[in-house]
Parts: sequence; C-alpha cells; structure tokens
Amino acid sequence: EAGVTQSPTHLIKTRGQQVTLRCSPISGHTSVYWYQQALGLGLQFLLWYDEGEERNRGNFPPRFSGRQFPNYSSELNVNALELEDSALYLCASSPGSHTDTQYFGPGTRLTVL
Amino acid sequence: GENVEQHPSTLSVQEGDSAVIKCTYSDSASNYFPWYKQELGKRPQLIIDIRSNVGEKKDQRIAVTLNKTAKHFSLHITETQPEDSAVYFCAASLGGNNRLAFGKGNQVVVIP
Repeated sequence: EAGVTQSPTHLIKTRGQQVTLRCSPISGHTSVYWYQQALGLGLQFLLWYDEGEERNRGNFPPRFSGRQFPNYSSELNVNALELEDSALYLCASSPGSHTDTQYFGPGTRLTVL
Repeated sequence: GENVEQHPSTLSVQEGDSAVIKCTYSDSASNYFPWYKQELGKRPQLIIDIRSNVGEKKDQRIAVTLNKTAKHFSLHITETQPEDSAVYFCAASLGGNNRLAFGKGNQVVVIP
C-alpha cells in the first residue's frame, strides 16, 4: 500500500511570491492535515480537510489556504511569501474524521529567499 | 488549552541503557496520545500510541504509560540501540475534534 505522497520535494521562492504544495493521502483515507515544521519549533498545525471540507484551522494568517479535491488529494497555497515561511511542510492523512491516527508524507522543503 | 510540553529537550544515553521522555498536556478532553519518531531528513513515523482507556502499552522495546489524573504520558525505550537516535514527538488529541497538538520534540542520542 502506497503511503502519503507530497510534491515537490524541494522548492525555492523569493519573498512576495506564491507557492502551491500538493499531497496525496493513503488510498481510502478521507482526512488530510497540513503542518509546518520550522527549525526548532516542532509541528505546527495549519489546516485539516475531510470529505472536501475545511474542518479546522491553526493559528496562521489567511495567506495560508488550501483545498481538498473529490479524490481526497489536497493543495496548500501560501501567498505573499515571507522569509519566516521557510520550513518543511508536512501532510498527513487519516482514515476519516472520527479516527485519530495520522500518517505523514515525506514533506516539501520550502526555502524563501 | 492546546499545550503539549516535552521534557527533556535533549537526551543522551549509552547504548543498552533505557531512555524515558515525558510529555504533559493541558486539555482534559484529550483521549489519544501518539508518539512519532523522526530521523534526520525523513518523515515522522508513528511508533506507538495509547488511548485514554488504558494506562500502559508495550511493543517490543518501546512502551508508553499514561497518567490521566496528572495529565502526563511517557515513552520508554529499553536496551537502546544506535538506530534509536532520532527526534521523538509526542502529541495529544484535542477534545471535540480530530486535531493533534504536538510537543516540540526530543532529540535522543544513543552513544555506542
């Protein structure tokens, strides 16, 4: 069974630009979670999608947004990039909104110059 | 509250010794507590989890204990090996939804 996949693996952008990150959950999983892992700060929750709907949002500005598609894959969009957005962005999936266990993808390393 | 705190932030142990990492949480409605291991440059991997209806769970060399009254849970690694060197994250579910709040991580170094 394939695990959670993310693309791209690495990305370099400049301040003010916009970026889109992609995530495909484990087959059969309907929930997708996005986290930001900046150096030394652990995993900060960004967004949770289930069945195409945004279920919860972390303490991040509105320039962080996303969506979930009918096939349960998801995109994370970040507008007006700032230097402090440089981080590893991790996606996780779980079987459904009532199941807690989350399985992580390999992440996308975003560098903002 | 959503706070999950891990102690200590760094732990060095001799190969073969035991390692213990403790986490505390603040949300009394938390009922699910997973532990993840993240090796350098790799994704966090679930290594063990516990739900609030049990006090202890073991899987070979690793175990997790939960004290709901005190709101803390601990990861125990016995007979540590060099491949146990990694960052370990604890997490607690947040009451009322499927979110997890993560601790900041604990760097475990096993010295051969």
